[in-house]
Amino acid sequence: AQSVTQLDSHVSVSEGTPVLLRCNYSSSYSPSLFWYVQHPNKGLQLLLKYTSAATLVKGINGFEAEFKKSETSFHLTKPSAHMSDAAEYFCVVTSNSGYSTLTFGKGTMLLVSP
Amino acid sequence: NAGVTQTPKFQVLKTGQSMTLQCAQDMNHEYMSWYRQDPGMGLRLIHYSVGAGITDQGEVPNGYNVSRSTTEDFPLRLLSAAPSQTSVYFCASSSQGGGPYEQYFGPGTRLTVT
Repeated sequence: AQSVTQLDSHVSVSEGTPVLLRCNYSSSYSPSLFWYVQHPNKGLQLLLKYTSAATLVKGINGFEAEFKKSETSFHLTKPSAHMSDAAEYFCVVTSNSGYSTLTFGKGTMLLVSP
Repeated sequence: NAGVTQTPKFQVLKTGQSMTLQCAQDMNHEYMSWYRQDPGMGLRLIHYSVGAGITDQGEVPNGYNVSRSTTEDFPLRLLSAAPSQTSVYFCASSSQGGGPYEQYFGPGTRLTVT
């Protein structure tokens, strides 16, 4: 069994300030973890993924996430928010065991003000 | 390279009508899946397929049918539309299910059932 909890439904930041989107997961097997971004009225785009290699993962557009097994967390960060980062972000877990399906978190809406 | 395509982009149905949402991919991916996205719920898996001729149910399969006769196509059929099926539907594909494989998403179909 696997599950994902995104701890905030909305996060508001000012342009130029750091971004932190929080995600906790559970998985019976060795997990793969992803962050996807969805801009308004668009499909989903992969930001980054953890696949049991390096625990600090760098993605596109300056985002990164750190896998912490002891805390079962995979928080997404960015040092300096840009207006174009305003979107909905989804944390996703799957397992490395066979044909595991993906489980999505409920999403965090990131609002960026000037 | 078209990636994952979905048709139609928008659809309005009356309760009890049936329709098919089309999904096609040109990446020779074995794994394809259908999700529905509702506000505050993230994406929930409806059905998935690990290859031509093989399909299985996801988290919310009731009211939907799928078949996979070719690698490229994975249509989703609504047998008798209900207002509860008003949602945005996304098709996705990847080279394999689970594990570290990126899912490629289509642009979505926005369905309203009146």
